[in-house]
Parts: sequence; structure tokens; C-alpha cells
Amino acid sequence: QVQLVQSGADVKKPGASVKVSCKASGYTFTDYYMHWVRQAPGQGLEWMGWINPNSGGTNYAQKFQGRVTMTRDTSISTAYMDLSRLRSDDTAVYYCARDQGDIVATTRPAFSMDVWGQGTTVTVSS
Amino acid sequence: EIVMTQSPATLSVSPGERATLSCRASQSVSSNLAWYQQKPGQAPRLLIYGASTRATGIPARFSGSGSGTEFTLTISSLQSEDFAVYYCQQYNNWPLTFGQGTKVEIK
Repeated sequence: QVQLVQSGADVKKPGASVKVSCKASGYTFTDYYMHWVRQAPGQGLEWMGWINPNSGGTNYAQKFQGRVTMTRDTSISTAYMDLSRLRSDDTAVYYCARDQGDIVATTRPAFSMDVWGQGTTVTVSS
Repeated sequence: EIVMTQSPATLSVSPGERATLSCRASQSVSSNLAWYQQKPGQAPRLLIYGASTRATGIPARFSGSGSGTEFTLTISSLQSEDFAVYYCQQYNNWPLTFGQGTKVEIK
């Protein structure tokens, strides 16, 4: 079955960086964009950006420009989200989420998200 | 940035009753709107995309309507497993944005 499995929880100090991984299985990894979405404690959902696993192209929300880097390793069907210069308000659950659109079949992503990882809790604390 | 506003913040409904959730966009998003359900400690689940198309495996009691700036998610007869937080998301413009959520709780 289609599945996204994320790396485990992490605790970082302010100013550090965190790298979250998202391993895909059950489908062709390069056929679907991957989004990253975060959720601060008790808050709503915030989109961070996407990566095209086929080309490596990315699109980041302006809020995260300069601090976030999304990459992938197609040999192991894994996407990564790296967030630097962490602050306390970066404490959140970080999700990877597969775009709904098969870019091979439809030539463009859908930008809705049909499969989600289980989430990775990142705590930023001194 | 398109701001998505959901109402009400909390909806108290008895099992078996109908629930109607609203989502308003600060500018037109055409039909590029999705609804998600999130239960405590779980990841969101896609319910509706294209404003009105149910995602795979979603029961028929969930329906979506609207276009432009006004959207509605209706749950025709609430089941115990439907008590959760619901988010709308627009994907017409960058950045993709979500509403703040509506919590559907047991009355």
C-alpha cells in the first residue's frame, strides 16, 4: 500500500538545523510531487513548500525562503526537509504529504495532498 | 496570500445529525479547494478535492460544494468517527494556504 514513513522525533537548540526524512513506498516516487506541511502545538496547518522528486525542482513558501531546503534521493525513494537557524516557534509536527496528481499521467501536479506521513515532532528548546 | 476563514470555530452536533462547515477565501480560488479531516494525534486525511469530488474511500455522507470564495462541507449524518477537526485548503495561488480549522464535537 502507498505509505510515507518519516524519521523520529528530534530536539534541537535554537540556531541549530534539523533534517527530517520521508521514505515513500507503494508507488513510483518520481511520479508525484512531495509537500511539507507543519503544525505548531494546538495550531492549524502551514504549507512550507514542495519538491518535484523527478527533477529536484522546488518551490518554497516565502516565509521559509533562505531557511528551508528540500531534497530527495531517488535511489531510496526518500524526500528530505532541512530547516536551519531554528527558533522556538519552529517547534511543531512536520509532515510530508504526497501531491495527489500523477505528473506522468496528467503532466502537472494537483496541489491537494492525498497521502500523509505520520508526522515528525521537532522541539526547539535551549 | 489568500486567507482562508472557516466558521464556526467549533460545531457541537449530536450523532446522526447533519453538520455544515463553511470556508471563505479572501479572493476567488475557483474550484481549487480541498477539505481534510484530522483526528487527535493523527495526520490529516484528504476528504474532498476540486471543491466537490470525494477522495478515494471517503463515505458518501461527506459532500462539498461551492466555488469562487464560498465553500461548504456537509456531513449528512454524523457518525462517532467523524468527530474531528476539519480544514479547508486552497490551491489556486501560492502559497498554498489552509483555514484555521473547525472542530466538530459531540453535543
